Amino acid sequence: AQSVAQPEDQVNVAEGNPLTVKCTYSVSGNPYLFWYVQYPNRGLQFLLKYITGDNLVKGSYGFEAEFNKSQTSFHLKKPSALVSDSALYFCAVRDSSDMRFGAGTRLTVKP
Amino acid sequence: GAVVSQHPSRVICKSGTSVKIECRSLDFQATTMFWYRQFPKQSLMLMATSNEGSKATYEQGVEKDKFLINHASLTLSTLTVTSAHPEDSSFYICSARPGQGPDSASSYNSPLHFGNGTRLTVT
Repeated sequence: AQSVAQPEDQVNVAEGNPLTVKCTYSVSGNPYLFWYVQYPNRGLQFLLKYITGDNLVKGSYGFEAEFNKSQTSFHLKKPSALVSDSALYFCAVRDSSDMRFGAGTRLTVKP
Repeated sequence: GAVVSQHPSRVICKSGTSVKIECRSLDFQATTMFWYRQFPKQSLMLMATSNEGSKATYEQGVEKDKFLINHASLTLSTLTVTSAHPEDSSFYICSARPGQGPDSASSYNSPLHFGNGTRLTVT
Protein backbone atom coordinates (compact mmCIF):
# COMPACT_ATOMS: atom_id res chain seq x y z
CA ALA A 1 0.00 0.00 0.00
CA GLN A 2 1.07 3.56 -0.60
CA SER A 3 1.97 5.74 2.36
CA VAL A 4 3.55 9.03 3.29
CA ALA A 5 5.33 10.13 6.42
CA GLN A 6 5.72 13.59 7.87
CA PRO A 7 8.58 13.39 10.35
CA GLU A 8 7.88 16.70 12.07
CA ASP A 9 4.81 17.38 14.19
CA GLN A 10 5.64 21.05 14.43
CA VAL A 11 7.66 23.55 12.42
CA ASN A 12 8.33 27.07 13.65
CA VAL A 13 9.73 29.80 11.45
CA ALA A 14 10.02 33.55 11.60
CA GLU A 15 8.06 35.65 9.15
CA GLY A 16 10.08 36.38 6.04
CA ASN A 17 12.29 33.32 6.42
CA PRO A 18 12.09 30.33 4.10
CA LEU A 19 10.08 27.36 5.29
CA THR A 20 10.24 23.65 4.61
CA VAL A 21 7.72 21.03 5.62
CA LYS A 22 9.02 17.53 5.09
CA CYS A 23 7.34 14.52 3.54
CA THR A 24 8.68 11.14 2.49
CA TYR A 25 6.75 8.56 0.57
CA SER A 26 6.59 4.84 0.03
CA VAL A 27 4.88 3.66 -3.13
CA SER A 28 4.89 0.83 -5.59
CA GLY A 29 4.95 2.23 -9.07
CA ASN A 30 4.68 5.87 -9.99
CA PRO A 31 3.85 8.20 -7.12
CA TYR A 32 0.97 10.63 -7.22
CA LEU A 33 1.71 13.08 -4.44
CA PHE A 34 -0.26 15.98 -3.03
CA TRP A 35 -0.03 18.71 -0.44
CA TYR A 36 -3.02 20.12 1.42
CA VAL A 37 -3.43 22.83 4.03
CA GLN A 38 -6.02 22.93 6.79
CA TYR A 39 -7.03 26.04 8.70
CA PRO A 40 -8.86 25.72 12.06
CA ASN A 41 -12.31 24.16 11.80
CA ARG A 42 -12.04 23.87 8.05
CA GLY A 43 -11.68 21.10 5.53
CA LEU A 44 -8.48 20.66 3.58
CA GLN A 45 -7.46 22.91 0.72
CA PHE A 46 -5.42 21.62 -2.18
CA LEU A 47 -2.03 23.30 -2.61
CA LEU A 48 -0.21 21.36 -5.29
CA LYS A 49 0.43 17.94 -6.76
CA TYR A 50 3.13 15.92 -8.47
CA ILE A 51 2.09 13.46 -11.14
CA THR A 52 4.91 13.52 -13.65
CA GLY A 53 7.25 15.99 -15.31
CA ASP A 54 9.31 18.67 -13.60
CA ASN A 55 10.51 17.78 -10.14
CA LEU A 56 9.75 21.28 -8.88
CA VAL A 57 6.05 21.82 -8.64
CA LYS A 58 4.55 25.23 -8.04
CA GLY A 59 1.24 25.63 -6.28
CA SER A 60 -1.10 28.01 -4.55
CA TYR A 61 -0.13 30.88 -2.24
CA GLY A 62 3.51 30.85 -3.33
CA PHE A 63 4.17 27.30 -2.18
CA GLU A 64 6.23 24.83 -4.13
CA ALA A 65 7.38 21.27 -3.60
CA GLU A 66 10.36 19.33 -4.84
CA PHE A 67 9.98 15.73 -5.86
CA ASN A 68 13.16 13.77 -5.18
CA LYS A 69 13.01 10.20 -6.39
CA SER A 70 16.34 9.08 -4.96
CA GLN A 71 15.39 10.31 -1.50
CA THR A 72 11.70 9.42 -1.90
CA SER A 73 10.81 12.86 -0.65
CA PHE A 74 8.32 15.55 -1.55
CA HIS A 75 9.10 18.48 0.72
CA LEU A 76 6.90 21.56 0.72
CA LYS A 77 8.69 24.89 0.53
CA LYS A 78 8.12 28.61 0.46
CA PRO A 79 10.86 31.22 0.03
CA SER A 80 9.36 33.74 2.45
CA ALA A 81 6.88 32.70 5.13
CA LEU A 82 3.87 34.77 6.14
CA VAL A 83 2.10 34.74 9.49
CA SER A 84 -1.04 33.77 7.58
CA ASP A 85 0.70 30.56 6.44
CA SER A 86 0.30 29.23 9.98
CA ALA A 87 -1.85 26.12 9.62
CA LEU A 88 -1.80 22.34 9.52
CA TYR A 89 -0.19 20.83 6.43
CA PHE A 90 -0.82 17.35 5.10
CA CYS A 91 1.14 15.38 2.57
CA ALA A 92 -0.88 12.73 0.73
CA VAL A 93 -0.43 9.95 -1.79
CA ARG A 94 -2.98 8.51 -4.17
CA ASP A 95 -3.77 4.93 -3.22
CA SER A 96 -6.17 2.98 -5.35
CA SER A 97 -9.43 4.93 -5.30
CA ASP A 98 -8.74 7.12 -2.33
CA MET A 99 -5.94 9.08 -0.77
CA ARG A 100 -3.69 8.37 2.20
CA PHE A 101 -2.63 11.27 4.36
CA GLY A 102 0.38 11.86 6.53
CA ALA A 103 -0.03 12.70 10.19
CA GLY A 104 0.18 16.41 9.49
CA THR A 105 2.68 19.11 10.40
CA ARG A 106 1.65 22.20 12.27
CA LEU A 107 3.40 25.23 10.86
CA THR A 108 3.67 28.31 13.03
CA VAL A 109 5.03 31.50 11.53
CA LYS A 110 5.91 34.11 14.11
CA PRO A 111 6.04 37.83 13.35
CA GLY B 1 -14.60 25.54 -9.49
CA ALA B 2 -14.87 22.14 -7.79
CA VAL B 3 -16.65 23.32 -4.68
CA VAL B 4 -17.83 20.88 -2.04
CA SER B 5 -20.42 22.10 0.42
CA GLN B 6 -20.83 20.35 3.75
CA HIS B 7 -23.70 21.04 6.12
CA PRO B 8 -24.10 21.65 9.00
CA SER B 9 -20.78 23.12 10.04
CA ARG B 10 -21.51 22.53 13.68
CA VAL B 11 -24.06 20.43 15.51
CA ILE B 12 -24.73 19.61 19.14
CA CYS B 13 -27.01 16.71 19.91
CA LYS B 14 -28.05 14.63 22.87
CA SER B 15 -26.82 11.13 23.42
CA GLY B 16 -29.05 8.58 21.70
CA THR B 17 -30.22 10.82 18.89
CA SER B 18 -29.20 10.66 15.24
CA VAL B 19 -27.46 13.32 13.21
CA LYS B 20 -27.33 13.67 9.44
CA ILE B 21 -24.47 15.42 7.67
CA GLU B 22 -24.77 16.39 4.03
CA CYS B 23 -22.01 16.66 1.47
CA ARG B 24 -22.74 18.24 -1.90
CA SER B 25 -20.60 18.78 -4.94
CA LEU B 26 -21.86 22.11 -6.24
CA ASP B 27 -20.34 22.39 -9.70
CA PHE B 28 -19.30 18.90 -10.63
CA GLN B 29 -20.54 15.36 -10.50
CA ALA B 30 -18.97 12.93 -8.10
CA THR B 31 -19.62 9.24 -8.42
CA THR B 32 -17.40 8.75 -5.40
CA MET B 33 -17.21 10.72 -2.20
CA PHE B 34 -15.16 10.05 0.90
CA TRP B 35 -15.95 10.51 4.56
CA TYR B 36 -13.22 11.17 7.07
CA ARG B 37 -13.06 11.61 10.78
CA GLN B 38 -10.45 13.79 12.42
CA PHE B 39 -9.56 13.74 16.08
CA PRO B 40 -7.88 16.74 17.71
CA LYS B 41 -4.31 17.21 16.55
CA GLN B 42 -4.49 14.09 14.42
CA SER B 43 -4.65 13.26 10.77
CA LEU B 44 -7.72 12.31 8.80
CA MET B 45 -9.01 8.80 9.22
CA LEU B 46 -10.87 7.47 6.21
CA MET B 47 -14.17 6.05 7.39
CA ALA B 48 -15.83 5.03 4.17
CA THR B 49 -16.04 5.51 0.47
CA SER B 50 -19.45 6.52 -0.76
CA ASN B 51 -20.45 5.22 -4.18
CA GLU B 52 -23.35 6.69 -6.09
CA GLY B 53 -26.09 4.16 -6.59
CA SER B 54 -24.46 1.41 -4.58
CA LYS B 55 -23.43 0.51 -1.07
CA ALA B 56 -20.65 2.38 0.65
CA THR B 57 -17.35 0.70 1.30
CA TYR B 58 -16.36 0.95 4.94
CA GLU B 59 -12.85 0.88 6.35
CA GLN B 60 -11.94 -1.78 8.84
CA GLY B 61 -13.22 -0.98 12.30
CA VAL B 62 -15.93 1.43 11.18
CA GLU B 63 -19.44 0.29 12.11
CA LYS B 64 -21.62 0.50 9.04
CA ASP B 65 -24.81 0.30 11.08
CA LYS B 66 -23.74 3.25 13.16
CA PHE B 67 -22.44 5.43 10.35
CA LEU B 68 -25.02 5.18 7.61
CA ILE B 69 -23.99 6.50 4.24
CA ASN B 70 -26.33 7.25 1.39
CA HIS B 71 -25.17 8.47 -2.03
CA ALA B 72 -28.43 8.82 -3.88
CA SER B 73 -27.29 11.24 -6.57
CA LEU B 74 -24.14 12.33 -8.33
CA THR B 75 -23.96 15.46 -6.22
CA LEU B 76 -25.07 14.41 -2.76
CA SER B 77 -23.81 12.02 -0.13
CA THR B 78 -25.08 11.91 3.43
CA LEU B 79 -23.56 10.50 6.59
CA THR B 80 -25.94 9.71 9.43
CA VAL B 81 -24.51 9.06 12.86
CA THR B 82 -27.13 6.87 14.51
CA SER B 83 -27.71 6.67 18.24
CA ALA B 84 -24.88 9.06 18.85
CA HIS B 85 -22.73 8.81 21.95
CA PRO B 86 -20.22 11.24 23.42
CA GLU B 87 -17.35 9.20 21.96
CA ASP B 88 -18.73 9.99 18.49
CA SER B 89 -17.92 13.65 19.07
CA SER B 90 -15.41 14.58 16.42
CA PHE B 91 -14.76 16.58 13.28
CA TYR B 92 -16.21 14.89 10.21
CA ILE B 93 -15.03 15.88 6.74
CA CYS B 94 -16.25 14.82 3.33
CA SER B 95 -14.42 15.04 0.05
CA ALA B 96 -15.05 14.39 -3.59
CA ARG B 97 -13.07 14.22 -6.79
CA PRO B 98 -14.28 15.46 -10.16
CA GLY B 99 -14.30 12.75 -12.77
CA GLN B 100 -16.36 10.06 -14.37
CA GLY B 101 -15.44 7.36 -11.91
CA PRO B 102 -12.99 6.48 -9.16
CA ASP B 103 -10.52 4.87 -11.53
CA SER B 104 -10.92 6.99 -14.60
CA ALA B 105 -7.89 8.76 -15.98
CA SER B 106 -9.42 12.14 -15.31
CA SER B 107 -10.14 11.38 -11.69
CA TYR B 108 -6.96 9.55 -10.78
CA ASN B 109 -4.78 12.63 -11.09
CA SER B 110 -7.28 15.06 -9.70
CA PRO B 111 -6.96 16.34 -6.17
CA LEU B 112 -9.70 15.77 -3.67
CA HIS B 113 -11.92 18.71 -2.87
CA PHE B 114 -13.06 18.95 0.70
CA GLY B 115 -16.06 20.28 2.50
CA ASN B 116 -15.43 22.58 5.43
CA GLY B 117 -16.18 19.86 7.91
CA THR B 118 -18.79 19.30 10.60
CA ARG B 119 -17.98 19.61 14.27
CA LEU B 120 -20.21 17.12 16.07
CA THR B 121 -20.62 17.36 19.83
CA VAL B 122 -22.70 14.73 21.59
CA THR B 123 -23.74 15.63 25.12
